[in-house]
Amino acid sequence: EIVLTQSPATLSLSPGERATLSCRASQSISSFLAWYQQKPGQAPRLLMFDASNRATGIPARFSGSGSGTDFTLTISSLEPEDFAVYYCQQRRNWPLTFGGGTRVEIK
Amino acid sequence: EVQLLQSGGGLVQPGGSLGLSCATSGFTFSGYGMTWVRQAPGKGLEWLSSINADGVGAEYADSVKGRFTISRDNSKNTLYLQVNSLRADDTAVYYCAKGGLSSGPLDYWGQGALVAVAS
Repeated sequence: EIVLTQSPATLSLSPGERATLSCRASQSISSFLAWYQQKPGQAPRLLMFDASNRATGIPARFSGSGSGTDFTLTISSLEPEDFAVYYCQQRRNWPLTFGGGTRVEIK
Repeated sequence: EVQLLQSGGGLVQPGGSLGLSCATSGFTFSGYGMTWVRQAPGKGLEWLSSINADGVGAEYADSVKGRFTISRDNSKNTLYLQVNSLRADDTAVYYCAKGGLSSGPLDYWGQGALVAVAS
C-alpha cells in the first residue's frame, strides 16, 4: 500500500498570505496525485489532478507541483473561503489512498 | 451539469445490513469507473471500493472486503454499495464519486450519506 504523508497537520495563516502544503508518497507514484479541498459539512472538491492540473473552475491562485514521491500544493494568496482541510490522494496503484490532511486555519 | 444524488443511509444495529445508492446524471455513466469513499466522524477520507465502467471489475479495501459489495446498473445510471455485517467502526459518512485509477481523479462527488451503527 502506498502511504501518503501530509505536512504540516495544521497551517495557521492570515488572509493574503501564501500557503504551502506538502504530500510525500512512500514510493513513486509518477504524477498520479490529486488534491481535494473539504469544508465542514461538505463533500470534498477536486482542486488539482495529475499533480499540476487545475480542475474545472478552480482559481489560478491554486497551483500544484511535483512528481515521483514529493508534491506541493500552493495557494498564492489566501482568500477567506480557502480556510479548509486539504487532502492528497494517489491513483497510481490499488488501493487508492489519501493523505491524513492539512488543516489551513485563520491565524 | 454533473450530479450525483445519494440515498440509503441511516441507523443500523451491529451485524446489520444497508444498501446505498448513487443516482447520476450529466455525464455518460457507462464510460467511467466509480468509487465509494467514507469519512468517520472527525477523521480523514478512506477509500472503500471502485468499479470499472462496464461493472466487470471491482477493487476493495481490506477493511471491507467480504462485507461490502459494489455494483452498478448502467441502464439506470446508478451506482450501489451493499454493506453487510456492519460494525461500530463502520459509522461514517459514505460518499460516491466519479472516477478512480484509470478513470481519472475523483472529480465529482455525491452529497454523502450517514451510516450510523449502534444498538
